[in-house]
Amino acid sequence: DSGVTQTPKHLITATGQRVTLRCSPRSGDLSVYWYQQSLDQGLQFLIQYYNGEERAKGNILERFSAQQFPDLHSELNLSSLELGDSALYFCASSVGGRAFSYEQYFGPGTRLTVT
Amino acid sequence: DAKTTQPTSMDCAEGRAANLPCNHSTISGNEYVYWYRQIHSQGPQYIIHGLKNNETNEMASLIITEDRKSSTLILPHATLRDTAVYYCIVRVPLEANSKLTFGKGITLSVRP
Repeated sequence: DSGVTQTPKHLITATGQRVTLRCSPRSGDLSVYWYQQSLDQGLQFLIQYYNGEERAKGNILERFSAQQFPDLHSELNLSSLELGDSALYFCASSVGGRAFSYEQYFGPGTRLTVT
Repeated sequence: DAKTTQPTSMDCAEGRAANLPCNHSTISGNEYVYWYRQIHSQGPQYIIHGLKNNETNEMASLIITEDRKSSTLILPHATLRDTAVYYCIVRVPLEANSKLTFGKGITLSVRP
């Protein structure tokens, strides 16, 4: 158990809909990262937040957005869903706030199926 | 981040050492070598990291060549639960650039 929690575990929705994925980082971790894993693209970095502020952006679509709240949990919002958005979405956390950030700890993921 | 090259797959017998190679010939002086693994559809799991010295922890050992252009992850006594995709990643662990860039990894199959 990494200490990172994600809900829901599974999500099935229709094209065009909007969903919210939730992540709670390990206690004390200030940085949260979101990754997408699909069969054809592998594990891809989407976005990073540190202590409530966006820190880095990766291959995140404009239809996707994220935020980190004062209690440090994070939400990833996916809208106008397409079939190709079906994937595993992982959240990771690290201590952050230092010059060097070594390990990232991953949650169990949310499996999104768009039908 | 420097690119890494790993074989697609390998297997080993349960109880034997599994030696997983990784090439990173363009690694920069301030880049670390990291290993993560992903057991079928679970979240990736951090294993070990190193800069230039060999490292060992309760999970594995990491051997980095003197020129730092390649490394080997060693699982000393592989078990069936070690069957997973293993990712070798090189990066500078700065907070400003903390993303992990995953390649295809190497699929390790441990056979009984």
